[in-house]
Amino acid sequence: GDSVTQMEGPVTLSEEAFLTINCTYTATGYPSLFWYVQYPGEGLQLLLKATKADDKGSNKGFEATYRKETTSFHLEKGSVQVSDSAVYFCALLLQGGKLIFGQGTELSVKP
Amino acid sequence: DAGVTQSPTHLIKTRGQQVTLRCSPKSGHDTVSWYQQALGQGPQFIFQYYEEEERQRGNFPDRFSGHQFPNYSSELNVNALLLGDSALYLCASSRMGEGITQETQYFGPGTRLLVL
Repeated sequence: GDSVTQMEGPVTLSEEAFLTINCTYTATGYPSLFWYVQYPGEGLQLLLKATKADDKGSNKGFEATYRKETTSFHLEKGSVQVSDSAVYFCALLLQGGKLIFGQGTELSVKP
Repeated sequence: DAGVTQSPTHLIKTRGQQVTLRCSPKSGHDTVSWYQQALGQGPQFIFQYYEEEERQRGNFPDRFSGHQFPNYSSELNVNALLLGDSALYLCASSRMGEGITQETQYFGPGTRLLVL
């Protein structure tokens, strides 16, 4: 069935370090892919998206490229800040409108 | 431009009771989806409403039901509450594209339900 697998957290980094959060998916067809971020006690905020193979989504210094050949959508940022500390969710959107989420990866950035 | 709003923010109920959660979509959006997020987990799809009808449903029992109103707002009802229903309930709105294509879903802040 359709699913999303994320690297397990928590991930702890020092400020200005490079970030990669791995995400792979299993799906039929050609889903759109998303990264959402959740700050403590809040709902989900859309971080970036890609709708077809080889698309690169980017926002606030974060990037992810839709790789159909490896069924991956890894999240990267060149220099993290303390304010990036949050839980990050990778998700795919199935035809018909159902979002399927990974289990989330908690990121903690230390000054 | 107001985003997705949900009410109430927090709710405490006891087992066996019923609860109604409310959601107003983002301006210009006509589709509402509901998700349940247990502590430490990713959100799980409950169902989606478009044109006042349930279009798709996830793996949730019939105790979970919903409604969409002509102004596109929506309610989620849960009957006979169980301890395991304690979770953050998230509403997401989107705009139905041409055909049945879906556009990006935007989430509200959620309603945190505690069942005692």
